[in-house]
Amino acid sequence: AQKVTQAQTEISVVEKEDVTLDCVYETRDTTYYLFWYKQPPSGELVFLIRRNSFDEQNEISGRYSWNFQKSTSSFNFTITASQVVDSAVYFCALRGYSTLTFGKGTMLLVSP
Amino acid sequence: DAGVIQSPRHEVTEMGQEVTLRCKPISGHDYLFWYRQTMMRGLELLIYFNNNVPIDDSGMPEDRFSAKMPNASFSTLKIQPSEPRDSAVYFCASSLGGGGTYGYTFGSGTRLTVV
Repeated sequence: AQKVTQAQTEISVVEKEDVTLDCVYETRDTTYYLFWYKQPPSGELVFLIRRNSFDEQNEISGRYSWNFQKSTSSFNFTITASQVVDSAVYFCALRGYSTLTFGKGTMLLVSP
Repeated sequence: DAGVIQSPRHEVTEMGQEVTLRCKPISGHDYLFWYRQTMMRGLELLIYFNNNVPIDDSGMPEDRFSAKMPNASFSTLKIQPSEPRDSAVYFCASSLGGGGTYGYTFGSGTRLTVV
């Protein structure tokens, strides 16, 4: 069975601080995909990134960066110089040979 | 592309009534998923289709829930009779291929309240 754990339920930071959201996963599949989604207060689920299990290269997109470490089964997400607009719930998700499994999400609150 | 379109955005109904949620996937996508989001259980998969055929409905909570996909551009999720514990946000998502290669696109969701 697949499992995604986001141990941080809620994080509060002040604008311009860096913040890292943790994600740990479990799967027996040899090939799998990892995802991050953002859910702003408006409620929609916004796709942020997809990473396959064969690509451990870290990725940076503007203020966002992702650190995939297969050895520790982690796929952490860092926001640099956070902004109020980053306030949202962030979900990590895993897809192996079955379907997309989500973590419980981390609520990020960025204060001005 | 208009994305995945769900209707209605909000639904308030009385316990015992039938509720139908609708979804139009992205044209060309061959997989369609229905998810439910609650505070207690988070995002959970209810059912998914491949080429209009239901593949796995093990997440459907009980017989009161049913889903159909009569064609490639339309799917429904029906609850009959509805109960207060069905109150949740229901998301529809579609993808090209089920393996996640091209990601999953979610609709805006339907917020269902059963009173």
